[in-house]
Amino acid sequence: EVQLLESGGGLVQSGGSLRLACVASGFTFSRSAMNWVRQAPGKGLEWVSGISGSGTTTFYSDSVKGRFTISRDNAKNTLYLQMDSLRAEDTAIYYCAQDRAVVTPVWFDSWGQGTLVTVSS
Amino acid sequence: VVLTQSPGTLSLSPGERATLSCRASRSVTTYLAWYQQTPGQVPRLLIYGASSRATGIPDRFSGGGSGTDFTLTIDRLEPGDFAVYYCQTYHSSPITFGQGTRLEFK
Repeated sequence: EVQLLESGGGLVQSGGSLRLACVASGFTFSRSAMNWVRQAPGKGLEWVSGISGSGTTTFYSDSVKGRFTISRDNAKNTLYLQMDSLRAEDTAIYYCAQDRAVVTPVWFDSWGQGTLVTVSS
Repeated sequence: VVLTQSPGTLSLSPGERATLSCRASRSVTTYLAWYQQTPGQVPRLLIYGASSRATGIPDRFSGGGSGTDFTLTIDRLEPGDFAVYYCQTYHSSPITFGQGTRLEFK
């Protein structure tokens, strides 16, 4: 059974930083691209970033490009999202999502329970 | 690619058929997925490749379309089907989602 467990969310001031982590189990981590998808309170889904299984290729939405950095440690089965220069509009639940593909993100087979990030202005 | 879902809210009764629409701002061929999100839960993959059901998804759920116009059809609605549904395209980066259709009890 695939399990994805996010951590690292919390309350941070505008301009601050946070680092999210997602520990994966139940599948061969290095053979799956991985993603971060967020959902602002009461709003829809927004894809944030993706990374290939090897970690060599990364993808970002325009809204976070230059501020967020996605990475992974395949030896630890862990996905990360370093979030810098945070803004109030980054407030959301951040989900870790397993991709069907190995390199370029496509669709999301499994999702974690999410971690809440709140940015105060 | 901008995805526009309609209607915003759909009010139906158990046993009825639901038809949800997703329109893309340009062709995405069949690079489209659908997700279901019930209140307080994480999204669940229903459909990928516009018409292929994900593992464990009952055949009451079917997807169709290609290019710019897609539909998700849910036959014989059950209580657990009342949720928010999102379409998502992976035709090009960045990946985008539609704004969602809420399926509610009539």
